[in-house]
Amino acid sequence: GAGVSQSPSNKVTEKGKDVELRCDPISGHTALYWYRQSLGQGLEFLIYFQGNSAPDKSGLPSDRFSAERTGGSVSTLTIQRTQQEDSAVYLCASSLVSAGELFFGEGSRLTVL
Amino acid sequence: QKEVEQNSGPLSVPEGAIASLNCTYSDRGSQSFFWYRQYSGKSPELIMSIYSNGDKEDGRFTAQLNKASQYVSLLIRDSQPSDSATYLCAVRESGGSNYKLTFGKGTLLTVNP
Repeated sequence: GAGVSQSPSNKVTEKGKDVELRCDPISGHTALYWYRQSLGQGLEFLIYFQGNSAPDKSGLPSDRFSAERTGGSVSTLTIQRTQQEDSAVYLCASSLVSAGELFFGEGSRLTVL
Repeated sequence: QKEVEQNSGPLSVPEGAIASLNCTYSDRGSQSFFWYRQYSGKSPELIMSIYSNGDKEDGRFTAQLNKASQYVSLLIRDSQPSDSATYLCAVRESGGSNYKLTFGKGTLLTVNP
């Protein structure tokens, strides 16, 4: 596709369940980012992938959060044992090069009941 | 902890007026600065980037940068109702994490017809 694609666009889950969020970056973009945007908050950096380098996981808020990027393309963000404070919009962005312009997907809105 | 501060607003201006959005940042070594526009329920969209002190104009938008004061601003001339959105200031970190953008919480702009 032409842009960054994320799925699902909306996810409602019960506290304690696991969720997976998917990001398909723009073809050819080597850098991929996950950010989280909570109500009234700015974008919070979660994790960064660049090619085959080790990812920067420094923004993951707890060990319940993990992410992987397979084949240098699609990425999955997994949240285990979800909590109500995990409710937010999870935004994926990709960039052609490491410090280039970020293009964002439409986000996955997660609601934990 | 790198910080980016913005006045949360809301900022309300009449159609045709100049809207002025401001941002300060803590990372003195930062060299790249961005303004993103985010419509309600949508993803952030890059509208301006600036790297050197002074002004940069693009159509109705002017970005201003003062690295000594660690201050970035965005002016929108002849504001239109379609400019109503949240404007996010983003600063690229210096040093080894220069792939990472730190975002402010955004300023909500409303342009009244």
